Amino acid sequence: GESVGLHLPTLSVQEGDNSIINCAYSNSASDYFIWYKQESGKGPQFIIDIRSNMDKRQGQRVTVLLNKTVKHLSLQIAATQPGDSAVYFCADIGGSNYKLTFGKGTLLTVNP
Amino acid sequence: KAGVTQTPRYLIKTRGQQVTLSCSPISGHRSVSWYQQTPGQGLQFLFEYFSETQRNKGNFPGRFSGRQFSNSRSEMNVSTLELGDSALYLCASSSLASTTDTQYFGPGTRLTVL
Repeated sequence: GESVGLHLPTLSVQEGDNSIINCAYSNSASDYFIWYKQESGKGPQFIIDIRSNMDKRQGQRVTVLLNKTVKHLSLQIAATQPGDSAVYFCADIGGSNYKLTFGKGTLLTVNP
Repeated sequence: KAGVTQTPRYLIKTRGQQVTLSCSPISGHRSVSWYQQTPGQGLQFLFEYFSETQRNKGNFPGRFSGRQFSNSRSEMNVSTLELGDSALYLCASSSLASTTDTQYFGPGTRLTVL
């Protein structure tokens, strides 16, 4: 079946650096993409989303880039802080399906 | 606005028992989805309800079932529990009928099957 995958399972950065988390998707019908952050013991928290008619969207310290040609999604976190340490998931929805398909997740560790 | 709430937060059951988990969506949200999260399989979609109707179902056995009430609260039930059902069960709600409406997650129910 269709799936969303992540290139790297772990990412370690220094506080203050920029972080980039990557994601590949396979469903060509996907038209909505979301990044979630999950801290230990909590449910996934919405970070930012992007629709397929856009290639970039910015939030507070976060930017999502979408490359539909190669079916690639990335999350950029500026000036990474210790509080950003968590598992980050990308997810997508395509067509009339209300099901979110999640990637396996990337563990981001921010070193002080 | 209060977020998505799930009860209970933790549950311990033995094989063969059944369990019912509850989810209260964000006020005004009519869509509720359920996901199972395990270290090996990640987050997997169970089913989604909108206005008391199941719109989508994932690839889980019939032991997993759910329902939604007129106030949008939802329950999921797992019968004849197996060890492999140990997982974090997450509920998410969204406001409208469109697939591009953001889903907001609750804290989850941690189910342990012994």
